[in-house]
Amino acid sequence: AQSVTQLDSQVPVFEEAPVELRCNYSSSVSVYLFWYVQYPNQGLQLLLKYLSGSTLVKGINGFEAEFNKSQTSFHLRKPSVHISDTAEYFCAVILSTGGFKTIFGAGTRLFVKA
Amino acid sequence: GAGVSQTPSNKVTEKGKYVELRCDPISGHTALYWYRQSLGQGPEFLIYFQGTGAADDSGLPNDRFFAVRPEGSVSTLKIQRTERGDSAVYLCASRTGGPSDTQYFGPGTRLTVL
Repeated sequence: AQSVTQLDSQVPVFEEAPVELRCNYSSSVSVYLFWYVQYPNQGLQLLLKYLSGSTLVKGINGFEAEFNKSQTSFHLRKPSVHISDTAEYFCAVILSTGGFKTIFGAGTRLFVKA
Repeated sequence: GAGVSQTPSNKVTEKGKYVELRCDPISGHTALYWYRQSLGQGPEFLIYFQGTGAADDSGLPNDRFFAVRPEGSVSTLKIQRTERGDSAVYLCASRTGGPSDTQYFGPGTRLTVL
């Protein structure tokens, strides 16, 4: 069975500082990896995804994530955050073959302070 | 084009009552998911439809929960004999193609069982 662990429930950071949101997953088979963002009072939207190939993937709003197979991690980073990045961030996995069920982490609340 | 819509946006019911939650996916999307999101948690997979059939219903918590998608577009999640523990935000998502494709989420239905 697959599982996703987001190591930090909350991450406070000052505006223009860099940030890393950590995600580790467990799976005995190959998976696709996703990061979703949920802004206050809005639905989830895709930030970026890793399917195959280059382990560094770039997404919207200046975010990027690096897939590390040996550490089974998919950490999300941004070099300089804005107030508007305040939101809940979810890491998710789905099997790459015959994949139906999507497993989400518990989420990390990013709070950007002025 | 129009995104995923869900109705109602809020539903308050009494313990023991029956409720139906509706999801209108993006036109042409053959795959449809239902998730449940409790406060402070990530979305929890409930059921996945490919066309009219439920390809994976392993996330339904018990036999009080049932979902249909009779014509391969609109889906209804049905909950019988509601319990206070069913209170959550119920999310619907749709996608076109396989597991690597993006899931587009609706705004959710907030269900409160008194």
